[in-house]
Amino acid sequence: SQQGEEDPQALSIQEGENATMNCSYKTSINNLQWYRQNSGRGLVHLILIRSNEREKHSGRLRVTLDTSKKSSSLLITASRAADTASYFCAMTNDYKLSFGAGTTVTVRA
Amino acid sequence: NAGVTQTPKFQVLKTGQSMTLQCAQDMNHNSMYWYRQDPGMGLRLIYYSASEGTTDKGEVPNGYNVSRLNKREFSLRLESAAPSQTSVYFCASSLPRGGPGGEQFFGPGTRLTVL
Repeated sequence: SQQGEEDPQALSIQEGENATMNCSYKTSINNLQWYRQNSGRGLVHLILIRSNEREKHSGRLRVTLDTSKKSSSLLITASRAADTASYFCAMTNDYKLSFGAGTTVTVRA
Repeated sequence: NAGVTQTPKFQVLKTGQSMTLQCAQDMNHNSMYWYRQDPGMGLRLIYYSASEGTTDKGEVPNGYNVSRLNKREFSLRLESAAPSQTSVYFCASSLPRGGPGGEQFFGPGTRLTVL
């Protein structure tokens, strides 16, 4: 079974708004990663946060990690139509990634 | 750099047929992975190869075999395809920098339908 659960399953926002999605996991991790998948394509790595980090930024992305609650969040600020995609969290344990089921984000023009 | 390439892009099989999905990477990565993605779900790990010469089972290995042919290539074989193996298959690779669990680079996927 998958280790991660993402919330919400789907999100629809207006261009320019912020999008926030959450990920919860069950066991200890080395790090947590976020990936984006455009329809019909492979996954693209967005950001990695290590287990000893609490927050990380990359451009319009902000990721937080709370290991005591076993949860992470991804914030996309000032969303654009091109941000329409599915977003997956992935928990790293040794060499393996365990993916959540994803959040589908639709950005309306 | 082509990154991670997969062949074929699409395949239709009949139940009981066999086939091999091919994956190659040109980034000199040590680790390679095979995942499957079913509708509405995230990716599930089938097999992985942490380094050339080693392979290990992932979450859903039943019905599959793999071969790490060399550092560049990692193939996935279905010996006797079943309808439950209808899925999109992704290959990925990672260096990984500083140890296990680094960023993974994904191929474009193979859409497999088993009738």
